[in-house]
Amino acid sequence: QKEVEQDPGPLSVPEGAIVSLNCTYSNSAFQYFMWYRQYSRKGPELLMYTYSSGNKEDGRFTAQVDKSSKYISLFIRDSQPSDSATYLCAMTGSSNTGKLIFGQGTTLQVKP
Amino acid sequence: DTEVTQTPKHLVMGMTNKKSLKCEQHMGHRAMYWYKQKAKKPPELMFVYSYEKLSINESVPSRFSPECPNSSLLNLHLHALQPEDSALYLCASSQLDRGLYTDTQYFGPGTRLTVL
Repeated sequence: QKEVEQDPGPLSVPEGAIVSLNCTYSNSAFQYFMWYRQYSRKGPELLMYTYSSGNKEDGRFTAQVDKSSKYISLFIRDSQPSDSATYLCAMTGSSNTGKLIFGQGTTLQVKP
Repeated sequence: DTEVTQTPKHLVMGMTNKKSLKCEQHMGHRAMYWYKQKAKKPPELMFVYSYEKLSINESVPSRFSPECPNSSLLNLHLHALQPEDSALYLCASSQLDRGLYTDTQYFGPGTRLTVL
């Protein structure tokens, strides 16, 4: 079993839809949670960073962490065609080795 | 400025060539990373440098040789690569706070490497 599970999709939604992207994990030591967006043939871009449990909002993006369920989510409101990309969740624990554990990435397509 | 730059953008090399990938950041970050990413896969960690010293080598073959000449620069020297080494090579950096990694890693755009 992988430490971090993420459905690779692809996920296709119409423009304006609310998108929900999710990851589950098995290591209860994880405390730092990130979402990266990666456009085709580009490097990953940090979208959201959350420490421990709770919600964080930034514009159209909301990140949620539920440590009791070992489940994290990224919500995108009013999705746009420019949101079409691969979304990677990543996490690490308090041991702070610098090593991120990534999910497989979910490919999202937002159709005009 | 949260920019990590990488050169070259694309590189094609034969199996007998020697080439180098370069990465630069001016954010004052003291941790730098090399990742390898194959198509439709997440990035795989190769090396971590902290305070210009190699701290993690994820059992990478010796045909990949990293170098950190100063706190802003990171190189990856390539020699005798195999076609299966063709991938996107990503550099990243992050802060170190009293020796602890702050886990916000910023990635560069990558070098797309093709080995013939």
